[in-house]
Amino acid sequence: QKEVEQNSGPLSVPEGAIASLNCTYSDRGSQSFFWYRQYSGKSPELIMSIYSNGDKEDGRFTAQLNKASQYVSLLIRDSQPSDSATYLCAVSETGRRALTFGSGTRLQVQP
Amino acid sequence: SQTIHQWPATLVQPVGSPLSLECTVEGTSNPNLYWYRQAAGRGLQLLFYSVGIGQISSEVPQNLSASRPQDRQFILSSKKLLLSDSGFYLCALDESRKAFFGQGTRLTVV
Repeated sequence: QKEVEQNSGPLSVPEGAIASLNCTYSDRGSQSFFWYRQYSGKSPELIMSIYSNGDKEDGRFTAQLNKASQYVSLLIRDSQPSDSATYLCAVSETGRRALTFGSGTRLQVQP
Repeated sequence: SQTIHQWPATLVQPVGSPLSLECTVEGTSNPNLYWYRQAAGRGLQLLFYSVGIGQISSEVPQNLSASRPQDRQFILSSKKLLLSDSGFYLCALDESRKAFFGQGTRLTVV
C-alpha cells in the first residue's frame, strides 16, 4: 500500500530556531510534493510545492526533495510562535487523481 | 482566484439522522472536486472525488455518498449517521495538481 509517513510530534523548538520537518513516501513514481500548514480547528493551507530534487526557498520556508531516498523535508527558519501548527506532507502518487496526505507533524514554537 | 464555500461550519447530529453537506466553488469551471474527512488527530482520508457533473468515484466504501448535480456544486450525504462518521469534513478542488480546501465542517454525531 502506498504511504506517506510523518512523525506525529510534537516537535518543540525555541523561537528563532530552525524547525526541520520530515516526510517519507513509498511510491517511487511520485512527481509532485506539497507542504500544508493546518492550524488547530482550521483547514489546511498550501505553503510550499516542490517537483525536482534539491531545495526550493520561499521566505523563511525551504522545501527539500530527494527522490532517490524518497524523502521530502520542510525547514522553517527563524521560527515564530505563529508557526505553531500541524504540517501535512502531501504527495501526488502515480495513478491517483487525489493527493495522498501524511498524518502530519505538530510543531510547537516556544516563545 | 477560486473560492470554495462550505456550510455549515459546525454540526451536531444524532445517530441515525440524515446528513447533507454542500460545497460550492467560484472562480473556476469544470474543477476536480474532492471530499476528505479528518478524524481527531488523524490525517486526511479521501472519501470521494469528481471530475465532472454526475461523475463520482468512491475511495472508501462506507456510510456516505456524494453527488455532483452542477459543475460547481458537490454534495456529501448520508441516510443514517453513525458515531464513526464524526470528524472534520473538507471539500477541496484541484488546480495544477495542488489541492485547495474550503473552511470545513466539523460534524459531531451524538
